[in-house]
Amino acid sequence: GAGVSQSPSNKVTEKGKDVELRCDPISGHTALYWYRQSLGQGLEFLIYFQGNSAPDKSGLPSDRFSAERTGGSVSTLTIQRTQQEDSAVYLCASSPSFGSLSEKLFFGSGTQLSVL
Amino acid sequence: AQTVTQSQPEMSVQEAETVTLSCTYDTSESDYYLFWYKQPPSRQMILVIRQEAYKQQNATENRFSVNFQKAAKSFSLKISDSQLGDAAMYFCAYRFTGANSKLTFGKGITLSVRP
Repeated sequence: GAGVSQSPSNKVTEKGKDVELRCDPISGHTALYWYRQSLGQGLEFLIYFQGNSAPDKSGLPSDRFSAERTGGSVSTLTIQRTQQEDSAVYLCASSPSFGSLSEKLFFGSGTQLSVL
Repeated sequence: AQTVTQSQPEMSVQEAETVTLSCTYDTSESDYYLFWYKQPPSRQMILVIRQEAYKQQNATENRFSVNFQKAAKSFSLKISDSQLGDAAMYFCAYRFTGANSKLTFGKGITLSVRP
């Protein structure tokens, strides 16, 4: 596609349920990032994937959070047993290369997650 | 660890006027990049401008320019001739040039433009 696509745009769930958020990066982009944006907070890094390398999971807040990237393209962020504090906008970004001196991230429009 | 601080949560500017958004950061590295991203209500982050730390010349992109003070670890964004479409959240971000680095963002500032 022309840009980074995220689905769903909005997700309302009940506390304790599992949710899956999807990200379709720009074709050919090898790097993919997930960030979380909570109300009044900046963007909190969650995880990134670079090609076939092991992902950097250092930002995942708990073991309820996991992500995978299939075939070096689409990525899914899974939150198990959701809690109210998980409510936030989850942003995905991709980049054409990692380590480039002028790396530019292309962002999707995010998924607004609301946990009731 | 690197941190990015945006101490002003909100600012307002009259249309056609100039506004400056502040940002400070903390790092022990000497080679890095700094960015300003804009987030309109659509939520999609858009890169406004970027600065390489090794360059002394301040970056400029049309109506947007930065004041980069490396010694003071300050990186402010100046928007000239403000337009209604400039109303958005603006995030300052830092990235070390080394391998396995990622963007670190500030908390953002909400800019409103008065007609």
